[in-house]
Amino acid sequence: NAGVTQTPKFQVLKTGQSMTLQCAQDMNHEYMSWYRQDPGMGLRLIHYSVGAGITDQGEVPNGYNVSRSTTEDFPLRLLSAAPSQTSVYFCASSYAGGAGTEAFFGQGTRLTVV
Amino acid sequence: RKEVEQDPGPFNVPEGATVAFNCTYSNSASQSFFWYRQDCRKEPKLLMSVYSSGNEDGRFTAQLNRASQYISLLIRDSKLSDSATYLCVGRGSNYKLTFGKGTLLTVNP
Repeated sequence: NAGVTQTPKFQVLKTGQSMTLQCAQDMNHEYMSWYRQDPGMGLRLIHYSVGAGITDQGEVPNGYNVSRSTTEDFPLRLLSAAPSQTSVYFCASSYAGGAGTEAFFGQGTRLTVV
Repeated sequence: RKEVEQDPGPFNVPEGATVAFNCTYSNSASQSFFWYRQDCRKEPKLLMSVYSSGNEDGRFTAQLNRASQYISLLIRDSKLSDSATYLCVGRGSNYKLTFGKGTLLTVNP
């Protein structure tokens, strides 16, 4: 059981480049989300989705796009990378129902924008 | 004001000590609460859910006080392997998770 798989694990981009961070889950979870984690800031929600075809913005959505064409995949696109987007990115998934539903995280993508 | 606020830490304790983490939340619409653990350079993982009745899992006890909007985690008989960052997390009706900034715990031999 793979759980949540994120790729790549590490990436260095030049300012202005674009890229897509991949996230896939094999648990048939309805809810998927992307977070960034910066020192002293905790995890902040970028975008989330409650099902295929449905996405919404989180706390820090600027500079990022998402789509959810299938239940399994939830890619995060950086349109034009900026040094401020240097961070560790985590994808997470969970079932949508139930009060105590656990969220599972991918191993993270460490992105550096130079 | 951030929706979930935690003790800033860091906490440095000897093995065998009891340590308590506190967390407050400002959004009364938050329905569920959790403690997650994050090891250095790793992803967060669920430690335990938090219930109003209080719940215990081995050396760990979590408590939720909805009236005071306060959540706690108690670790008894600390082990070296407990060293990690502990994240207080709230979940709203829209399933979004809101994280506290985390509290770093170091257990020393």
